[in-house]
Amino acid sequence: DTGVSQNPRHKITKRGQNVTFRCDPISEHNRLYWYRQTLGQGPEFLTYFQNEAQLEKSRLLSDRFSAERPKGSFSTLEIQRTEQGDSAMYLCASSLVWTGGYYEQYFGPGTRLTVT
Amino acid sequence: GQQVMQIPQYQHVQEGEDFTTYCNSSTTLSNIQWYKQRPGGHPVFLIQLVKSGEVKKQKRLTFQFGEAKKNSSLHITATQTTDVGTYFCAGPGRRSGGGADGLTFGKGTHLIIQP
Repeated sequence: DTGVSQNPRHKITKRGQNVTFRCDPISEHNRLYWYRQTLGQGPEFLTYFQNEAQLEKSRLLSDRFSAERPKGSFSTLEIQRTEQGDSAMYLCASSLVWTGGYYEQYFGPGTRLTVT
Repeated sequence: GQQVMQIPQYQHVQEGEDFTTYCNSSTTLSNIQWYKQRPGGHPVFLIQLVKSGEVKKQKRLTFQFGEAKKNSSLHITATQTTDVGTYFCAGPGRRSGGGADGLTFGKGTHLIIQP
């Protein structure tokens, strides 16, 4: 399977604990995005990388959230001191970028986080 | 900030009936994308519209981009049970240009089909 993969698929944690999610994009894609989706809502943009550079962060990304893409391949999203409001599906997407064009994003299956 | 609104939120149709969802943006969009998410699944890209007034068709699906590039619609002719899911429109974020930004999604239209 050469699509976007995410691990773990499910994570249950207690409030106050730290969690880390991993995303492996499609290998030739240089853009990687993180979104959060809650029940009945559309995905909400969190941040994105072009290669290893983090180019944009949403205001939703509080100080407790940090994302990295150290070698321009896989990415991690860490949430520190989790709160119940962090419970959501965390989606990763990847895409190509090329000058003057638009492109689609390919989403992974997501990591469902439940904070108890 | 930019807002993308979709109506209706839910749509119940009998199998074989047509379905339309509408998308409106608070700002002019450089492009608009449509995604479908099946129950329990992740968003899957359907199409991208770039030009003012553009119309694209994919079998029973017809997508339109408004002349002012602030609204769009998706029309499905003769729905089938495989069409069940949530249809999202999405536009690029605050930055203009080559679609390189994180997308702003609408809340989606949930299509429920009764056989």
